[in-house]
Amino acid sequence: DQQVKQNSPSLSVQEGRISILNCDYTNSMFDYFLWYKKYPAEGPTFLISISSIKDKNEDGRFTVFLNKSAKHLSLHIVPSQPGDSAVYFCAASSTSGTYKYIFGTGTRLKVLA
Amino acid sequence: DSGVTQTPKHLITATGQRVTLRCSPRSGDLSVYWYQQSLDQGLQFLIQYYNGEERAKGNILERFSAQQFPDLHSELNLSSLELGDSALYFCASSVGQLVNYGYTFGSGTRLTVV
Repeated sequence: DQQVKQNSPSLSVQEGRISILNCDYTNSMFDYFLWYKKYPAEGPTFLISISSIKDKNEDGRFTVFLNKSAKHLSLHIVPSQPGDSAVYFCAASSTSGTYKYIFGTGTRLKVLA
Repeated sequence: DSGVTQTPKHLITATGQRVTLRCSPRSGDLSVYWYQQSLDQGLQFLIQYYNGEERAKGNILERFSAQQFPDLHSELNLSSLELGDSALYFCASSVGQLVNYGYTFGSGTRLTVV
């Protein structure tokens, strides 16, 4: 049972445009969400997080939106840059006692120069 | 350099064999997490240790085991290896044991079973 789903395995965007990466979850207990970025031959690196008490969190070019009723979150990258080309994972967890994040399968973003 | 060190970076071994993957957490971090990433799969949580004690278990096979030592480094032991065990194995660490502390990942160990 995949509790965190990233239905788009890949996405191509022109440099300077907006990249939108989507993530859906099924567990209503999840209340903390992260996005990680992964380059080849490296471990995932933390990008941005959001708590369920918020519906938006912004950090520079990166904004994460959370729609709790739809159990959906999205990562917006504006403007997209070639260096953003990587695999992006969303992850979710519950802060009420569990100790692990559940990760999606990732979306490979390619930003075209 | 994330501060989380995993060794070896690559490992090739035969079916039926046993291997040990090692992880040194970032300085000051007490929690260690192990994840498996198979081809086209997300990061599958295996197990978590906090200050030497097992805290959470995921879909870890009985052929796999782990431990965290007093110096906080952790080892993941994989035995009776099968072709399907070929994957990237990541270790991550965090300061505390609660999920709202972020994870810092190592660069992974790529295991190939032939």
